[in-house]
Amino acid sequence: GAVVSQHPSRVICKSGTSVKIECRSLDFQATTMFWYRQFPKQSLMLMATSNEGSKATYEQGVEKDKFLINHASLTLSTLTVTSAHPEDSSFYICSAHGGINTEAFFGQGTRLTVV
Amino acid sequence: GDSVTQMEGPVTLSEEAFLTINCTYTATGYPSLFWYVQYPGEGLQLLLKATKADDKGSNKGFEATYRKETTSFHLEKGSVQVSDSAVYFCALSTSTGFQKLVFGTGTRLLVSP
Repeated sequence: GAVVSQHPSRVICKSGTSVKIECRSLDFQATTMFWYRQFPKQSLMLMATSNEGSKATYEQGVEKDKFLINHASLTLSTLTVTSAHPEDSSFYICSAHGGINTEAFFGQGTRLTVV
Repeated sequence: GDSVTQMEGPVTLSEEAFLTINCTYTATGYPSLFWYVQYPGEGLQLLLKATKADDKGSNKGFEATYRKETTSFHLEKGSVQVSDSAVYFCALSTSTGFQKLVFGTGTRLLVSP
């Protein structure tokens, strides 16, 4: 199947700093990418939908100024957690689609720890 | 809203044992149902899916049947292997076009030799 690469796989940062997570589709063009977050013992929750060349659509309760999403090309979407705090510590994972009604391909996920 | 409930893990089995991981859902409309698997250090991979009631999805010896009457999509395998050790996620989608997925919490399966 198609490959989606997410980087970094783990990151530890200090409270108040910003962290950027990259999601790349390596062998296909992804018109749409999704960003999910999973807290311990909870489900993967959709945070936002990222469409190439346009603003991301955020789910209810997700702060768009805190979680900046950029999808500047058909192979790259980035999620920046700004002014991170310990409560932002979580597992973040992206998925990418090549087109309508196509399968979602997932990255490996990023474990963010804010200390 | 839509939701998926799956059994908590970890599920610990010996090789060649029978596996069941329960999954039930709540959804408006008629969702498509999925099982994803995540092996250590890798992304989620689609294991199988079913798009309408009574459909059976199958792959790599795993099966799940879409039961509308019980709103369930339990994952089964007759004889597990050590290589099946992974985290399994049940998910649904009611959106058309791009699959906005609603996930369960995931169930870790540990298979020992």
